[in-house]
Amino acid sequence: AQTVTQSQPEMSVQEAETVTLSCTYDTSESDYYLFWYKQPPSRQMILVIRQEAYKQQNATENRFSVNFQKAAKSFSLKISDSQLGDAAMYFCAYRGPGGTSYGKLTFGQGTILTVHP
Amino acid sequence: DTEVTQTPKHLVMGMTNKKSLKCEQHMGHRAMYWYKQKAKKPPELMFVYSYEKLSINESVPSRFSPECPNSSLLNLHLHALQPEDSALYLCASSPTGTSGNQPQHFGDGTRLSIL
Repeated sequence: AQTVTQSQPEMSVQEAETVTLSCTYDTSESDYYLFWYKQPPSRQMILVIRQEAYKQQNATENRFSVNFQKAAKSFSLKISDSQLGDAAMYFCAYRGPGGTSYGKLTFGQGTILTVHP
Repeated sequence: DTEVTQTPKHLVMGMTNKKSLKCEQHMGHRAMYWYKQKAKKPPELMFVYSYEKLSINESVPSRFSPECPNSSLLNLHLHALQPEDSALYLCASSPTGTSGNQPQHFGDGTRLSIL
């Protein structure tokens, strides 16, 4: 079974600084997909960034980028120029190849990010 | 704006009550999901509907009864719930359940409290 591990229950960063959230996963699949979701106190889970395992290039979305190390099964999220609105709980999620999994996501335990002004 | 709409936002009910949670999306998605989330924990998958058919039931107690009347609407019927069922219930949708890189879009959730 796939597992996702986020080893940092809480992280903090100063506004405008850079922070990296860690995520490791375990799978026997060669084709899979990884996601970072953000959940602010408003409750909605918001997709931050996604990565396809077959792509060697790391995904980037504005201030958010990932360091995807397939051999190490590591998928960290870097937030540059942190803003107060980045404060939230961040979940790393794994999704296997298409088919009978029906898009089932396996989530990590989450990392609470605090941004200090 | 949330593309997946959940109602009500808050619900308080007694253990003998019957109530329903509603989820609606108009993105043409054909896979819809119900999750249960406790405070500071990740969402736990409950049910998956694919093309209006129940595809996954994660061994959820029968006091939770899902229904998918059409491709845009997903209901969760509640009956005889227990205090431990108090949680945030999230609905999500994705274009299909079979293409891996399609992310799930989540609603704001319903905060459920069982008295």
